[in-house]
Amino acid sequence: EIVMTQSPATLSLSPGEGATLSCRASQSISSPYLSWYQQKPGQAPRLLIYGASTRATGIPARFSGSGSGTDFTLTISSLQPEDFAVYYCQQDYSLPLTFGGGTKVEI
Amino acid sequence: EVQLVESGGGLVQPGGSLRLSCASSGFTFTTSWMHWVRQAPGKGLVWVSRINTDGTITDYADSVKGRFTISRDNAKNTLYLEMKSLRAEDTAVYYCAKDGWGSWGQGTLVTVSS
Repeated sequence: EIVMTQSPATLSLSPGEGATLSCRASQSISSPYLSWYQQKPGQAPRLLIYGASTRATGIPARFSGSGSGTDFTLTISSLQPEDFAVYYCQQDYSLPLTFGGGTKVEI
Repeated sequence: EVQLVESGGGLVQPGGSLRLSCASSGFTFTTSWMHWVRQAPGKGLVWVSRINTDGTITDYADSVKGRFTISRDNAKNTLYLEMKSLRAEDTAVYYCAKDGWGSWGQGTLVTVSS
C-alpha cells in the first residue's frame, strides 16, 4: 500500500498570505495519478488539481500543483477567505487507492 | 450537470446490513468507472471500492473485503454498495464518486451502533 503523508497537519495563516502544502508518497508515483482536493465542513471533497499540476475546471489560478516521484506540493498563492479548509492529496496509481491525512488551513 | 445522489444510510446495529445507492445523471454512466469513499466523523477520506463500466471488475479496500459488495445497474444509472457484518468502525459518511474524481455525491451517513 502506498502511504501518503501530508505536512503540516495544520497551517495557520492570514488572508492574502501564501500557503505551501506538502504530500509525500511512500513509493514513487507517476504524476498523472496524483490529485489534490479541498473539503469544507459538511461538504463533499472538491477536485482542485489532477495529474499533479493540472487545475480542474473552474479552479482559480492561485491554486497550483507541482512535484514528481514521491514529493508533491500544493501552493495557494494568496489565500482568500473561502480557501480556509482541509486539503487532501490522493494517489490512484496503485491499489488500494489512498489519501493523505489532510492539511487544515486555518485563519 | 453531473449529479450523484446517495441514499440508504441510517442507523444499524453491529452485525447488521445496509445497502447504499447512488443515483447518477448528467453524464454517460455506462462508460464511467465508479467509486465509493468513506469518511469517519472528524477523520480523513478512505477509499472503499471501485467498479468498472460493466461490473465485471471490482476492487475493495482490505478493511471491507468479504463484507461489502459494489455493483451497478446501468439501465437505472445507479451504483450500489451492499454492506454486511457491519462494525462500529464502519460508521462514516459514504460518498460515491465518478472516476476522474471531479464529481462526488453529497454523502450518506451510516451509523453502526447498538
